[in-house]
Amino acid sequence: EIVLTQSPGTLSLSPGERATLSCRASYNVFSSYVAWYQHKPGQAPRLLIFGTSNRATGIPDRFSGSGSGTDFTLTIGRLEPEDFAVYYCQHYGSSPRTFGPGTKLEIK
Amino acid sequence: EVQLVESGGGLIKPGGSLRLSCAASGFSFTDAWMSWVRQAPGKGLEWVGLIKTKSDGGTTDYGAPVKGRVTISRDDSKATLYLQMNSLKIEDTAVYYCATEDIVVVPSAYEHWGQGTPVIVSS
Repeated sequence: EIVLTQSPGTLSLSPGERATLSCRASYNVFSSYVAWYQHKPGQAPRLLIFGTSNRATGIPDRFSGSGSGTDFTLTIGRLEPEDFAVYYCQHYGSSPRTFGPGTKLEIK
Repeated sequence: EVQLVESGGGLIKPGGSLRLSCAASGFSFTDAWMSWVRQAPGKGLEWVGLIKTKSDGGTTDYGAPVKGRVTISRDDSKATLYLQMNSLKIEDTAVYYCATEDIVVVPSAYEHWGQGTPVIVSS
């Protein structure tokens, strides 16, 4: 079973700044199967990135994904007020479709 | 428009059973692999399990915390996904979401989610 760890646990930034969120897998994974989600309280999770670097439908281009092997990154180019939320990475290439523990992006 | 609407959540005593439903519309349910994901209070997202399409064998996979206690099933004629949960534990308290994978390319990430149904296991 693939275990995903995310860092940092909490990231405090101001609107307009750049955010870099990390996700590390316990062993090499096929990059076609790494996704990122945004989750806000009381809402359904929202798919941002699939296949490591592909933006989902309707996702602004300030969101980008990269990585390979065991290390993957979600970058938010210039933070907007609505971007403050919890972000999860996921590996979906096999079962269990593991989620990382999440990074909380909060307003500084 | 894709819609997933969960129902069936509520307050249940430890050791009890509950069946959640997820009514789907706006896409070809018969052709979609479907999953359940949960979020316990103050915790992150946790994958519960999935069911493949009948054409892919209709097989199921489950996460370790629930394996042996839950069963995922589907009724394609009703476009509805189910999660039967037995021997419920306090740690099963969570909001339960259903989600769908892409119809054409599997495995895929979860582009569509329901709004979730809360399950509270408490005496």
